[in-house]
Amino acid sequence: DTEVTQTPKHLVMGMTNKKSLKCEQHMGHRAMYWYKQKAKKPPELMFVYSYEKLSINESVPSRFSPECPNSSLLNLHLHALQPEDSALYLCASSQERQGVFASTDTQYFGPGTRLTVL
Amino acid sequence: QKEVEQNSGPLSVPEGAIASLNCTYSDRGSQSFFWYRQYSGKSPELIMFIYSNGDKEDGRFTAQLNKASQYVSLLIRDSQPSDSATYLCAANNAGGTSYGKLTFGQGTILTVHP
Repeated sequence: DTEVTQTPKHLVMGMTNKKSLKCEQHMGHRAMYWYKQKAKKPPELMFVYSYEKLSINESVPSRFSPECPNSSLLNLHLHALQPEDSALYLCASSQERQGVFASTDTQYFGPGTRLTVL
Repeated sequence: QKEVEQNSGPLSVPEGAIASLNCTYSDRGSQSFFWYRQYSGKSPELIMFIYSNGDKEDGRFTAQLNKASQYVSLLIRDSQPSDSATYLCAANNAGGTSYGKLTFGQGTILTVHP
């Protein structure tokens, strides 16, 4: 089973709203990722969690706040977003062993959340 | 120079033909390469990965890696209209960053026409 689930599928929010995106995996993976993808562009890495600790932050604005409550769950809290933040937000997970990333670790993507900021 | 480069296409092939998708990378520290397929409006779906020089086959798909030339390719045999999608090439450890980071090319749009 290589399933990563994300909720909601679609989200429309105003610039003053606070919302959260959720991601869940039950593959026993210990690395989880948030990506942002604009139309006709490749995914851009935002955050990486390794063993529930933030491992990589790609200089993402503070209006995006990640959280990893446990090894299966990953949240992305959104506050005071801008219209240019409208995009497909993708969650991914990979195995990772004992806190060490291997070059062969394969990332599996969830279906994404289509976010529109008005 | 982009770390991972792909021809954006579109690449158009007739049904039943071989589709050849190419990718080059600039960082010799990149160790593994992944091919993802992405249908319009959907998320990337892993096709296969390769980290050793040579060919790796999985059904109708063959990935090829040439580290000396810093070149990766994906061949799709007996192409079907359902193969029409954007194909993303990604490198792991591109630019000397953590293995946790995949760097994607811009993607190649493939159209298979009946």
